[in-house]
Amino acid sequence: AQSVTQLGSHVSVSEGALVLLRCNYSSSVPPYLFWYVQYPNQGLQLLLKYTTGATLVKGINGFEAEFKKSETSFHLTKPSAHMSDAAEYFCAVSDTGGGADGLTFGKGTHLIIQP
Amino acid sequence: NAGVTQTPKFQVLKTGQSMTLQCAQDMNHEYMSWYRQDPGMGLRLIHYSVGAGITDQGEVPNGYNVSRSTTEDFPLRLLSAAPSQTSVYFCASSTRTDTQYFGPGTRLTVL
Repeated sequence: AQSVTQLGSHVSVSEGALVLLRCNYSSSVPPYLFWYVQYPNQGLQLLLKYTTGATLVKGINGFEAEFKKSETSFHLTKPSAHMSDAAEYFCAVSDTGGGADGLTFGKGTHLIIQP
Repeated sequence: NAGVTQTPKFQVLKTGQSMTLQCAQDMNHEYMSWYRQDPGMGLRLIHYSVGAGITDQGEVPNGYNVSRSTTEDFPLRLLSAAPSQTSVYFCASSTRTDTQYFGPGTRLTVL
């Protein structure tokens, strides 16, 4: 069975500081990994995904994540936080490339940006 | 394209009532899924479908029914609502290898 652990239900950073959101996964097969963002009272928007190939994945809004198989991690980073980055972030794993047979989500990390 | 649409946006039910949450997509995706989102729990898969006429259970299927008679529609039925089903419900669709696209959600309260 797959599982996703997101360390820290709340993360607070200052505007302009590095954003680091942690995600560890377990999977019995080579995983497909995703980060989604949810703004208040909205649906989920894909930030980036890892399927195969390059382990450093670049996404929208300046975010990127690195797949580290040896550490079973897929941490999300952004060099400089902006006030508009305040949102809920979810890491997810799937056996299939698109998660078509369902994604397994972490519990989410609420990112707070301090002015 | 409208993408994935969900109706209603908000619903209040009394315990024991039934209702259907509607989900439709106009992208000709064969795969569709229903999730529920609860505070501190992330999103959990309720049911999914890999094509018209084919459905399967996810992590939390109890209390919910689904059917898929067309490619476009994937309704979620609550036969006898319970307070534990108070949640935000999201529908998603995709092809086999493409990313899932999520609808805007339905916020359901069961009193």
